[in-house]
Amino acid sequence: DQQVKQNSPSLSVQEGRISILNCDYTNSMFDYFLWYKKYPAEGPTFLISISSIKDKNEDGRFTVFLNKSAKHLSLHIVPSQPGDSAVYFCAAYSGAGSYQLTFGKGTKLSVIP
Amino acid sequence: NAGVTQTPKFRVLKTGQSMTLLCAQDMNHEYMYWYRQDPGMGLRLIHYSVGEGTTAKGEVPDGYNVSRLKKQNFLLGLESAAPSQTSVYFCASSSNWGRETQYFGPGTRLLVL
Repeated sequence: DQQVKQNSPSLSVQEGRISILNCDYTNSMFDYFLWYKKYPAEGPTFLISISSIKDKNEDGRFTVFLNKSAKHLSLHIVPSQPGDSAVYFCAAYSGAGSYQLTFGKGTKLSVIP
Repeated sequence: NAGVTQTPKFRVLKTGQSMTLLCAQDMNHEYMYWYRQDPGMGLRLIHYSVGEGTTAKGEVPDGYNVSRLKKQNFLLGLESAAPSQTSVYFCASSSNWGRETQYFGPGTRLLVL
C-alpha cells in the first residue's frame, strides 16, 4: 500500500508558466516532507522541504504548500524553465526519530521552450 | 569534495553470480543508506547504517547484505543474484538522524540475466 502517492506520472508545462506537482499521503504520522529532483542517469538531489508545523516554505522559484487536513502537498515552480525538466519525487519522514524516507513514484516534468 | 560516489556505474550479472557495490562519501556523514529504484516505483530502502560497524534492515532487505567497516564506505552485497534484483541502486548519506536531507550518489545500474 503506497503511503506517498504522486498520481500524475507526467506533466508538461510551457516555459515561463507555473508548474504544480502534487503529492498525497496516507500516513498521519508523517511530519516532514521533502522534494527531490532527479535528472536521467543521476542521483536524486534535494530541492526543498517542509515541516508539518508549517503550511508553506519558499526558496526562490520553488514553493511547497502543505495541507495537513487533506494530507496533501504541492510543489510550485514559478516561472518554469527548461532546466527544470526532470523527475520530481515527494518523500516523507514519520516522526523526529525516523530513519526511513518514504518516496512517491515520481512525476516527470517537461518544460517546453 | 566529491560528495557520494558509487562503483561501478553499470554491471551485468548472470543469475547466481555475486557482486559488491561500493559507496563512498567524503562528507563525514554518520548515516548511510542503500535504496533501489525500479521502473515506475519510488526509491525503496534496502539497508542502512547509523555509524561505522553498524547496519540494519530497511524495507526490502531480502537477498542483500551490507557492511560498514569504515565510516566513509558502505558496501552492498548480492550473494546470489536473481533477475528480480535488476534495478538501479542508489546510495545516500546524511549527517543526522531523521528530518535530515539525504545526499545521493549517481546510482549503479544492475542487470541480472
